[in-house]
Amino acid sequence: AQSVAQPEDQVNVAEGNPLTVKCTYSVSGNPYLFWYVQYPNRGLQFLLKYITGDNLVKGSYGFEAEFNKSQTSFHLKKPSALVSDSALYFCAVRDLLYSGAGSYQLTFGKGTKLSVIP
Amino acid sequence: EAQVTQNPRYLITVTGKKLTVTCSQNMNHEYMSWYRQDPGLGLRQIYYSMNVEVTDKGDVPEGYKVSRKEKRNFPLILESPSPNQTSLYFCASSSSNQPQHFGDGTRLSIL
Repeated sequence: AQSVAQPEDQVNVAEGNPLTVKCTYSVSGNPYLFWYVQYPNRGLQFLLKYITGDNLVKGSYGFEAEFNKSQTSFHLKKPSALVSDSALYFCAVRDLLYSGAGSYQLTFGKGTKLSVIP
Repeated sequence: EAQVTQNPRYLITVTGKKLTVTCSQNMNHEYMSWYRQDPGLGLRQIYYSMNVEVTDKGDVPEGYKVSRKEKRNFPLILESPSPNQTSLYFCASSSSNQPQHFGDGTRLSIL
C-alpha cells in the first residue's frame, strides 16, 4: 500500500524567508511524487512532480522539491516566501509498482496550511 | 483551454433529496475521479473510472453512485443525501503518468 504523511498542519514563515513544507512517503516500489497547491475556493493546482532523474525538482511559482530516497522524503521548498504563497499544500504519491488502475491512483497527504506573514 | 468543470459550485439541500453533481473534462483523459475534502482528513477518494463504462470504488464510496457513459463526463450521484455528506467535492481527470487536473470544487451542505 502507498501512503504519504505531512507532519505539520500549519507552517508560518515571514515574507522573504525561506520556506519548507515537509512530506514523507511509503511505497512498495519506486515513488512517483507530486505537490499540489490549493488557494481558497479553488481546486488543487499542480506544482511539480518527481518520477526519476535529478533529486532537485523545479516547479511553478519558484517552488522546488528535494527527493531523498534514504529518508523517503519529498520536501517542498522556496528560497524566499511571498505573501501570495499562503495556501494549502498537498503532497501526493503513486507507487510505480502498480499497473492498470493503480497506475493512476494517487494517495494524498492531509495538507499543510502555509501562512506567509508580511 | 484545458479544464475540468464541475456544477454546481455550491448547493444547499435537505436530507433525502436526490442530487447530481456533474463533472466534464475536455482533455480526452481516460481516467476520472471524485474526491471529498474534509478538515483534518485531506482528500479521500470516493469513486474512480478508468474509461467509459469502467468504474470502481475508492476509499469512501458509501452513499454515492457514479456513471461513465461518455469519456468526458463523470457525474456523482447522491441518491439519498445525509448530513454526513456535507463536504467539499472535487472531480479530477488525468492520462497515464500525468498529473491529475482538478475542478474548482462543489461545496455541498445537506441539512
